[in-house]
Amino acid sequence: GQQVMQIPQYQHVQEGEDFTTYCNSSTTLSNIQWYKQRPGGHPVFLIQLVKSGEVKKQKRLTFQFGEAKKNSSLHITATQTTDVGTYFCAGPRLGTSYGKLTFGQGTILTVHP
Amino acid sequence: DARVTQTPRHKVTEMGQEVTMRCQPILGHNTVFWYRQTMMQGLELLAYFRNRAPLDDSGMPKDRFSAEMPDATLATLKIQPSEPRDSAVYFCASGLQGGPGNTIYFGEGSWLTVV
Repeated sequence: GQQVMQIPQYQHVQEGEDFTTYCNSSTTLSNIQWYKQRPGGHPVFLIQLVKSGEVKKQKRLTFQFGEAKKNSSLHITATQTTDVGTYFCAGPRLGTSYGKLTFGQGTILTVHP
Repeated sequence: DARVTQTPRHKVTEMGQEVTMRCQPILGHNTVFWYRQTMMQGLELLAYFRNRAPLDDSGMPKDRFSAEMPDATLATLKIQPSEPRDSAVYFCASGLQGGPGNTIYFGEGSWLTVV
């Protein structure tokens, strides 16, 4: 079945350092979504990428969708303690474009002040 | 501020007991999802409704789990009988297919512990 893999599983950084998490799908995706979950919280939608090679920015966060639409990355510049949490990528199940998401296992980010 | 509301937030129950979790999706959303999150399996889709009709519940153990949407403002997930392996956080999420960004909004979750 469809698999979405994320690396690394854990990342510890010093405040101010950059952070990148990578997402790889076993199948081509119609779109990819990124979520953030704070410790003890719920996943919160960050962004959706649709186009091959698309790059989107949200302040210090840069999201990229691969040319083949099978991989994606999230890069955070100059991390802050507020960036702590688990970052998930998710892609729609095969044959769907909305809703039925397969989530990666997530990358847990800790930021040391 | 529109949000998905879930009850109960926390539940501790004994093995064999029935557990019902409730969800009020965001008004106007036509799609409702139930996800389960555990350390081992991560986020798994259990069931999925559109316009109150169940579209897919293949992720759900059929013998003990059931999901329904009695009306547009209420979705329920029931476990009967519960087992310790059902201990997890159960998230309800809602969205509007065709809406801007295909955004899905998660509730705060129901933290279930079966002892």
